[in-house]
Amino acid sequence: EIVLTQSPGTLSLSPGESATLSCRASQSVSSSYLAWYQQKPGQAPRLLIYGASHRATGIPSRFSGSGSGTDFTLAISRLEPEDFAVYYCQQYGSSLFTFGPGTKLDIK
Amino acid sequence: EVQLVQSGAEVRKPGESLRISCKGSGYRFPNYWINWVRQMPGKGLEWMGRIDPSDSYTKYRPSFQGHVTFSVDKSISTAYLQWSSLEASDTAIYYCASYSVVHSDAFDVWGQGTVVAVSS
Repeated sequence: EIVLTQSPGTLSLSPGESATLSCRASQSVSSSYLAWYQQKPGQAPRLLIYGASHRATGIPSRFSGSGSGTDFTLAISRLEPEDFAVYYCQQYGSSLFTFGPGTKLDIK
Repeated sequence: EVQLVQSGAEVRKPGESLRISCKGSGYRFPNYWINWVRQMPGKGLEWMGRIDPSDSYTKYRPSFQGHVTFSVDKSISTAYLQWSSLEASDTAIYYCASYSVVHSDAFDVWGQGTVVAVSS
């Protein structure tokens, strides 16, 4: 099973700043099957990025994804108040899906 | 509107059985895998496994194999997650999510979640 590690565990920033979240895999992941989700308290997760770099429908352009192999990044520019949430990366490989442990983005 | 609607919150005692549901609408339900995801209190997301509604083929994450059962009734576009004997550690929110309805190779449609509380 591929294990995903996310860093940092918690990121404290102010609105208007930029955020960089990291997702590292224990072995190489196909970029086609690397996704990012946002989860706010009391809500279901929401797909943000799929295929490592493609924004899902309705996701603002301030969200961007990049990376390949074992290292992937979610970048959020000009943080808005509604962006403070928990972010999870996910991969699909060998018929199994796995999620990373999440990065909590909170307001400084 | 493409959506998954899950059944309501449940409270059970250890050893009891339970089945929760996830009903799809607005898309061709048989064409897309339904996945089940567990979120224990204050914790992250865990993929439990998936079911293919077209043929009921299932794939379980090894740690869940034998403890839960996935099923589907495609005639009513509904997937089910079932326990025959609940444990206190099954207390969690359970989400269903469909795979790649909008061709994303990801979980692009999510249910609202079902809270399951198991306590004596």
